[in-house]
Amino acid sequence: NAGVTQTPKFQVLKTGQSMTLQCAQDMNHEYMSWYRQDPGMGLRLIHYSVGAGITDQGEVPNGYNVSRSTTEDFPLRLLSAAPSQTSVYFCASNRGLDSPLHFGNGTRLTVT
Amino acid sequence: GENVEQHPSTLSVQEGDSAVIKCTYSDSASNYFPWYKQELGKGPQLIIDIRSNVGEKKDQRIAVTLNKTAKHFSLHITETQPEDSAVYFCAASKYAGGTSYGKLTFGQGTILTVHP
Repeated sequence: NAGVTQTPKFQVLKTGQSMTLQCAQDMNHEYMSWYRQDPGMGLRLIHYSVGAGITDQGEVPNGYNVSRSTTEDFPLRLLSAAPSQTSVYFCASNRGLDSPLHFGNGTRLTVT
Repeated sequence: GENVEQHPSTLSVQEGDSAVIKCTYSDSASNYFPWYKQELGKGPQLIIDIRSNVGEKKDQRIAVTLNKTAKHFSLHITETQPEDSAVYFCAASKYAGGTSYGKLTFGQGTILTVHP
């Protein structure tokens, strides 16, 4: 099992550009989520999904879109990148409500 | 919503010493408290967790204690080793049952350095 795979590892965008961060898991987990990690702020939940076709907002959803068309994939879309979205983004999945999160290795995004 | 405060932000110990990281939470309904370890360039990985019906849990050199009345929980690492050096995050969530998703709220993180 590869676990949770995130691509790309690094990305530089100009303000106003759009892009999609990819996330795939091969553990057949129902639950998937996106977090951003900023210095001194821990990890903050952006969006999450409790199954294919079902998504909901987390703590900091503005500027991001998600969709979940398959169990395996949960892409995160930045609609119009802003410098405030410079961060490290982590995708995670888990099997059930009280099972641990499995994180990918992150995407480091810089918006200039 | 839930607020989790984590202290200290940095912790430096000598190999063999113990390390303690403390977290407080605000929502008395929170009932699940995991701890994650993040090594450089990697995603966080669960090292231990505790539920609100338990006061303490141990796994070899790692232990977590929970005080529901005071709304705080702590991570204890004994006999620290250089490979314990990493960033540690506490988190809290509440599972309301059914299909509700237990959103985790993370603390700010503690950078632990173990000197040989």
